[in-house]
Amino acid sequence: QKEVEQDPGPLSVPEGAIVSLNCTYSNSAFQYFMWYRQYSRKGPELLMYTYSSGNKEDGRFTAQVDKSSKYISLFIRDSQPSDSATYLCAGSLGGYQKVTFGIGTKLQVIP
Amino acid sequence: GAVVSQHPSWVICKSGTSVKIECRSLDFQATTMFWYRQFPKQSLMLMATSNEGSKATYEQGVEKDKFLINHASLTLSTLTVTSAHPEDSSFYICSARTFQETQYFGPGTRLLVL
Repeated sequence: QKEVEQDPGPLSVPEGAIVSLNCTYSNSAFQYFMWYRQYSRKGPELLMYTYSSGNKEDGRFTAQVDKSSKYISLFIRDSQPSDSATYLCAGSLGGYQKVTFGIGTKLQVIP
Repeated sequence: GAVVSQHPSWVICKSGTSVKIECRSLDFQATTMFWYRQFPKQSLMLMATSNEGSKATYEQGVEKDKFLINHASLTLSTLTVTSAHPEDSSFYICSARTFQETQYFGPGTRLLVL
């Protein structure tokens, strides 16, 4: 079993839709959770960073962590074609421990 | 946000040659840098963790004599692929950790070994 599981997609949505991206993880010791966006042939870009359970909002993006179910989510409101990319979730123990990534979900927002 | 650069952005080389990739944190000091490899349609695979002034820690299955890592300063880490072969062709990405424990990634280096 992979430490971080993520559906690779692709996920296609119309412009303006609310997008829900999800991951599950198996390591209950994870404390830090991240979402990265990766455009084709580019390095990942940090979108959201959360510690422990709870919600965090930044503009059109909301990250949720539910440690009881080991479930992490990213919601994108009013999706735009420029949001089309691969979204990687990640977890970490913190304390300078390595970050473990999911395989990434490819999102396509259709104009 | 923090900026990490990589050079070169792409490189084509003949089998048997060595290739050096540089990773720099431009506006912050990074005591820890990471090197990843990403094959098409696969996730980022951590190769090694590099701490400034000490030897890198390699993940299981990564040959330390083939992938030489040097982290000589707080803003620069290098990865040298020695005696590269076609199976080493991949997308190599570095990241640097800030004091807030978030990682910022470089733009990646695409390596093609002929």
